[in-house]
Parts: sequence; structure tokens; C-alpha cells
Amino acid sequence: LAKTTQPISMDSYEGQEVNITCSHNNIATNDYITWYQQFPSQGPRFIIQGYKTKVTNEVASLFIPADRKSSTLSLPRVSLSDTAVYYCLVGEHLFYQAGTALIFGKGTTLSVSS
Amino acid sequence: KAGVTQTPRYLIKTRGQQVTLSCSPISGHRSVSWYQQTPGQGLQFLFEYFSETQRNKGNFPGRFSGRQFSNSRSEMNVSTLELGDSALYLCASSLGEAGWEKKNTEAFFGQGTRLTVV
Repeated sequence: LAKTTQPISMDSYEGQEVNITCSHNNIATNDYITWYQQFPSQGPRFIIQGYKTKVTNEVASLFIPADRKSSTLSLPRVSLSDTAVYYCLVGEHLFYQAGTALIFGKGTTLSVSS
Repeated sequence: KAGVTQTPRYLIKTRGQQVTLSCSPISGHRSVSWYQQTPGQGLQFLFEYFSETQRNKGNFPGRFSGRQFSNSRSEMNVSTLELGDSALYLCASSLGEAGWEKKNTEAFFGQGTRLTVV
């Protein structure tokens, strides 16, 4: 499995854009990059997924450079409700890519203040 | 569409007892994965069932076991409970199928069962 490295914590204020970078130097050719969000005492929630370049959905953008050794989750104009732990996941084998047997790292705790 | 349902939400057990947790996946999903979350170890993968067969297993002792029924509902069992088994147990459902040419499928998590061992 590709090892991921993320900042342990980040602080932001409401209305700011937040960028969380994940390093995954050993990413394999067939790996996708997936981000999950988790609020306290709840299960993680899928945010966004990508393979290369840029992916955007209604909640976030994911930027992946050409070498794919890192990725950046961008949250536009965060609010207090975006305070959560954000996990970057990269998998190697078929089962992982099927949304099963996910291996979570420590994640990044984002704290948004007013 | 109903989400992933886990029961019970909270449970208190005594050391040495056993416990069974239940997970009902999203309709149509054939894969159910189980995870343990503790403050010290974070989110750890326990095992995954697909079409009633255990397909993947994490690094947990044999006291942790599971099964999946023909309707895809799954149960996990922990025998001889230890204090360190106190955790939030999460299950996730997904379609569970992928190929090299297919995109990943996402996992949908339940709200978890909070187990406290005293």
C-alpha cells in the first residue's frame, strides 16, 4: 500500500480557502486518490476521488500533479461545520479500489474558527 | 435510499463477555467492511465480507470474527472482551466490485457502535 503523509492539524477561519496536501511518493499506476471526512462519533464520509489533474465537485476540489506523488484537497470558503478530520487514502490492490479494505492514516484535523 | 444501519448504537459489556454487532448495508451493496476506531490507533480495518465470504482481513486476533448473510447483512463478534476492545466500531458498505478499467467505488459508513468494556 502506498504510504500517505498529511499534516496532523490545520487551523483556519470561516470564509477562507483551505488546502490540505497529502504526500504519497509510492503511488502505483492503478491507484486512485480518495479523500474522506469524519466528524466526531460518526463514520467517515466520502468527499472526492481522482486519478490525475483536477477534479471538482460540489464540496471540494482535488489537485493532482503530473507525477501523482502528492495531492491537494481544496475546500473553498470553509465554515464552522467543516471542522473535522480529513483522510487521504491511496490503494494498491483491486479490493482497495473497490471501496473495501480501506487503510486510513492519522488524517488531518481541521479546526475552523469564527 | 436508506443508509448503512448499525445496531446497537451503544453497548456496555464486562471484560470476558462476548458481543455481537450488526450492520445492514445499503440495498444492492454486496460488500461490508468493519473497522475499529480508537483514540490511540485511529481507524483500523478489521475484515471485509463479499457475497457471504470473508475476502480481506486486517491484523486483529482471532477473537474478532464476522459473517455475512445472503441478504448482505453482516455481524461481527468479539469474544472474551478486553478493556482495550473499547472503541467505536464502524461498518461500511460498497458495491465491492472493481476492475482495472473501472473507477473506484466509494464506501458508505454507518454511524457506528460505541462499545465500552468495563
